[in-house]
Amino acid sequence: AQKITQTQPGMFVQEKEAVTLDCTYDTSDPSYGLFWYKQPSSGEMIFLIYQGSYDQQNATEGRYSLNFQKARKSANLVISASQLGDSAMYFCAMRGWAADSWGKLQFGAGTQVVVTP
Amino acid sequence: NAGVTQTPKFRILKIGQSMTLQCTQDMNHNYMYWYRQDPGMGLKLIYYSVGAGITDKGEVPNGYNVSRSTTEDFPLRLELAAPSQTSVYFCASSVLTGTPNTEAFFGQGTRLTVV
Repeated sequence: AQKITQTQPGMFVQEKEAVTLDCTYDTSDPSYGLFWYKQPSSGEMIFLIYQGSYDQQNATEGRYSLNFQKARKSANLVISASQLGDSAMYFCAMRGWAADSWGKLQFGAGTQVVVTP
Repeated sequence: NAGVTQTPKFRILKIGQSMTLQCTQDMNHNYMYWYRQDPGMGLKLIYYSVGAGITDKGEVPNGYNVSRSTTEDFPLRLELAAPSQTSVYFCASSVLTGTPNTEAFFGQGTRLTVV
């Protein structure tokens, strides 16, 4: 069984500062994918960034980067130069790729980020 | 570009009633998912499908049923609605062809209240 843990229920960050959102996971699958999604107050789910378990480099996408530490089973999201529009709920998700989790995509509990001026 | 379309957007059900939440995607994605999101919480996987005719349970399948007769459609059936099923329901789809690396595209959600 796979499990995603986000231990920070909420965070405040000042505009223009960087923020790190924690995500740890547990899986026995040899191959898996890790995702981060943003959910603003309007409710839609917005894909931000992806990291594959066999990727050698940490993923980056604009102001988003993923600090992937495979041995520690962590996949933290770093948002640089925070903007007011970054205020939202952020979810970490994992997709397993083995016989008992083929393509199953599961989410963590989320972290609420509030960016202040 | 329609993407993933869910209907209805809002619904109020009485305890014991049944309903079907509709989900259709026009991207020819093989994988489809149903999630529920309780207020202030994360998304819990209800059911998912790897292709037409193939479905599997997620974390919280009790009280729900699904079917996948076509690639495009993945309806979620609630039988005997209960207040505990009050939630926002999201449908999502992905195309997966050998690696887990493609993102899921989400519908706008269905807000369901059971009274």
